[in-house]
Amino acid sequence: QLQLQESGPGLVKPSETLSLTCTVSGDSVSTSSLYWGWIRQPPGKGLEWIGSMHYTGTTYYNPSLKSRVTISVDTSRNQFSLKLNSVTATDTAVYFCARVRLGASRSRLNCFDYWGQGTLVTVSS
Amino acid sequence: QSALTQPASVSGSPGQSITISCTGTSSDVADYNFVSWYQQHPGKAPKLMIYEVSYRPSGVSNRFSGSKSGNTASLTISGLQSEDEADYYCSSCTSSNTCVFGSGTKVTIL
Repeated sequence: QLQLQESGPGLVKPSETLSLTCTVSGDSVSTSSLYWGWIRQPPGKGLEWIGSMHYTGTTYYNPSLKSRVTISVDTSRNQFSLKLNSVTATDTAVYFCARVRLGASRSRLNCFDYWGQGTLVTVSS
Repeated sequence: QSALTQPASVSGSPGQSITISCTGTSSDVADYNFVSWYQQHPGKAPKLMIYEVSYRPSGVSNRFSGSKSGNTASLTISGLQSEDEADYYCSSCTSSNTCVFGSGTKVTIL
């Protein structure tokens, strides 16, 4: 059974870098027909797509976050990671990792079919 | 990239049907059929309910159905049940491989 689990610090200081890891079990991050992604949800608010990546290194980011975000993969550990730099209080949110299904052509992102439970990251001094 | 527009809340009585709309633009919802819907209960992760406008993943009740017309997608829940009370989000992934979520709709069972 596919499971995704986020891990990382729950508290980050303003201006520093938020770093999270998603550990995947029951599937391989090296599967060519899949992408892997991050979504966040500020407390009491809606979902925001952060970005998605393929194990070959192809990445797509939300234009509003692109300058601060890096998503990477560690195939040896079956994990993928998120780094968001220069954080402020507005980056406080529950961060979810998810598996991204592609369309039939395998060239377009389609939907998020499996999600981790989410982890709350608070930005505060 | 603006959030897709959803009504803030929709309510219905047990057994009734409700429809949630999701309005985007020619660059997202109207562009292609990669519209999906997610159900989120409080404190839980979102769950995929509909993908590619109208397809249900295995295990999702056939009381949930999706459709699209132009730049507006819709999720219909028929035979409302208490467990359907949750937040619902639409999403669209574009030809430039960016994805956007809707603003979210709270479904209340009266």
